[in-house]
Amino acid sequence: DIQMTQAPSSVSASIGDRVTITCRASRGISTWLAWYQQKPGKAPKVLIYGASALQSGVPSRFSGSGSGTDFTLTISSLQPEDFATYYCQQANSLGTFGPGTKVHI
Amino acid sequence: EVQLVESGGGLVQPGGSLRLSCAASGFIFSSYGMQWVRQAPGKGLEYVAGISGNGGRTYYGNSVKGRFTISRDNSKNTLYLQMGSLRDEDTAVYYCARVAVWWLHLDYWGQGTLVTVSS
Repeated sequence: DIQMTQAPSSVSASIGDRVTITCRASRGISTWLAWYQQKPGKAPKVLIYGASALQSGVPSRFSGSGSGTDFTLTISSLQPEDFATYYCQQANSLGTFGPGTKVHI
Repeated sequence: EVQLVESGGGLVQPGGSLRLSCAASGFIFSSYGMQWVRQAPGKGLEYVAGISGNGGRTYYGNSVKGRFTISRDNSKNTLYLQMGSLRDEDTAVYYCARVAVWWLHLDYWGQGTLVTVSS
């Protein structure tokens, strides 16, 4: 089974900051990776798919990169509505999620 | 508008069974794979099970394999999760989600239904 890790597990940031979250797969998954945002009490929402494609309606301050085993989600200028938990998910085999990264003030 | 509405959650004793349903609307249900994803209280997301559009292929996470069964009725636009031999650690909010045709990400999610396993 493919295992996913994320770093950091939490990050403290301010409005306007650039935030970078990394995700690593235990074996190569090409670009079969998605990023989700989840706010408390709500279902997750997809931000990025195919490692770098922006989901329709998602602000352009979100971007994704990477292939193989190492991936990155970047928020270029943090906005108040971006404080949430972010998960990566591999779509190569089943759908393992990373453990999540909480972005807080 | 795509909508996914889960139902069937509730309180069940350890060792018991429960069937979750997910009613889909706003898209051609049979054209899409579907997944169940769960989230234990205060924890992260966990893949539970997936099924192809025609129901011919099913997939399970290791923690539920042999205890849970995913199925679908395309004539009713409904996804199911039959859960058996339930354990305390199965307590979670269960989400159904649609698998996008390309890139296989989860592009639409339901609101979730809470399953509590406790005596």
